[in-house]
Amino acid sequence: DAKTTQPTSMDCAEGRAANLPCNHSTISGNEYVYWYRQIHSQGPQYIIHGLKNNETNEMASLIITEDRKSSTLILPHATLRDTAVYYCIVRANNNAGNMLTFGGGTRLMVKP
Amino acid sequence: EAQVTQNPRYLITVTGKKLTVTCSQNMNHEYMSWYRQDPGLGLRQIYYSMNVEVTDKGDVPEGYKVSRKEKRNFPLILESPSPNQTSLYFCASRVQGMNTEAFFGQGTRLTVV
Repeated sequence: DAKTTQPTSMDCAEGRAANLPCNHSTISGNEYVYWYRQIHSQGPQYIIHGLKNNETNEMASLIITEDRKSSTLILPHATLRDTAVYYCIVRANNNAGNMLTFGGGTRLMVKP
Repeated sequence: EAQVTQNPRYLITVTGKKLTVTCSQNMNHEYMSWYRQDPGLGLRQIYYSMNVEVTDKGDVPEGYKVSRKEKRNFPLILESPSPNQTSLYFCASRVQGMNTEAFFGQGTRLTVV
């Protein structure tokens, strides 16, 4: 799986959009971009994933650049409960066995 | 409710005393996996299973065993726990196929003294 690079930490004001970047310059054609988050020491929670088109669900939006070398997770109206570590993961579509390889993630702090 | 259930949530044990951490999922998922999480090292995969009776090593399998006799259960066995296995453990499952999300349990915090 391709390696990802994320900032170690970010702050965001409550009610504002949180934009979390991720670089994956070595991504290959069959690799998807996944985002998970981990609140305190709870189990990681799936947020969203995509291949090359932008994606949106009830939690977030995922913007993938045209060359697919980077992406941005957008939480449109961050709340205090969105404070968590956010992991950007690139996983091959045919990676049947090794489920997910987690990096260091971005620690997002949402402040009042 | 769809969920992955781990037990126990917290465990303190002594070196060498065999223990089992159970994991059960009610979503009929083929894939199950165990991770450990340590400060500064992130989440690392221990073992995974692609289906019943099919298991394979992850990145850090030493000192652990698993079994997959039934689809819903994937226990993690520590035959002779040591202090370096003190960690936060997560079980995960997902359905077979492309682009599927993984569901994680709430974690088991293990301390080996």
